[in-house]
Amino acid sequence: DGGITQSPKYLFRKEGQNVTLSCEQNLNHDAMYWYRQDPGQGLRLIYYSQIVNDFQKGDIAEGYSVSREKKESFPLTVTSAQKNPTAFYLCASSIGQGGYEQYFGPGTRLTVT
Amino acid sequence: GIQVEQSPPDLILQEGANSTLRCNFSDSVNNLQWFHQNPWGQLINLFYIPSGTKQNGRLSATTVATERYSLLYISSSQTTDSGVYFCAVGASGSARQLTFGSGTQLTVLP
Repeated sequence: DGGITQSPKYLFRKEGQNVTLSCEQNLNHDAMYWYRQDPGQGLRLIYYSQIVNDFQKGDIAEGYSVSREKKESFPLTVTSAQKNPTAFYLCASSIGQGGYEQYFGPGTRLTVT
Repeated sequence: GIQVEQSPPDLILQEGANSTLRCNFSDSVNNLQWFHQNPWGQLINLFYIPSGTKQNGRLSATTVATERYSLLYISSSQTTDSGVYFCAVGASGSARQLTFGSGTQLTVLP
């Protein structure tokens, strides 16, 4: 059963702690993406990766970091430098970049207090 | 960067009614997708439609790329159609897709 999984579904952290969100896909897609959604708004791009060992900043990369050591995995670390980390985080993938359809995981809701 | 505007922002319908959601974008695109976000936050792919017309059951979509807009039609709406509908576009020549609109919140009343 192919798809994108994100874990955990809910995550609670204290301010000042780094936290890593997991994203795994078994669709054999080359490109993967991380988006952030705040209440009542659309999604904004944090980072994207076209191939293994390569990634690029999106519109709101400050305070976040990523790695792409395997094709199937694209973890996102929310660092203590991110000023407003509480949000809904969605991971997506596509066959490639340049006009290909994107598919989304179920998301992780992060709350930082 | 490319701008995406969706209208209306909110829509309330009685079950069985039809509706049209609009997405305007500011530049040429090589990707346009419509999504339905369910109450649990999952984004469900409705259409991949950078141009032309597609239909899937009670839903259909049309993109007129030369005039930079797309329309999503929902016929005979059901309460399960409630949620937020997003339009997202990828600008031609850009590897950074997608840029999302702010969404249309649809509520279908029984």
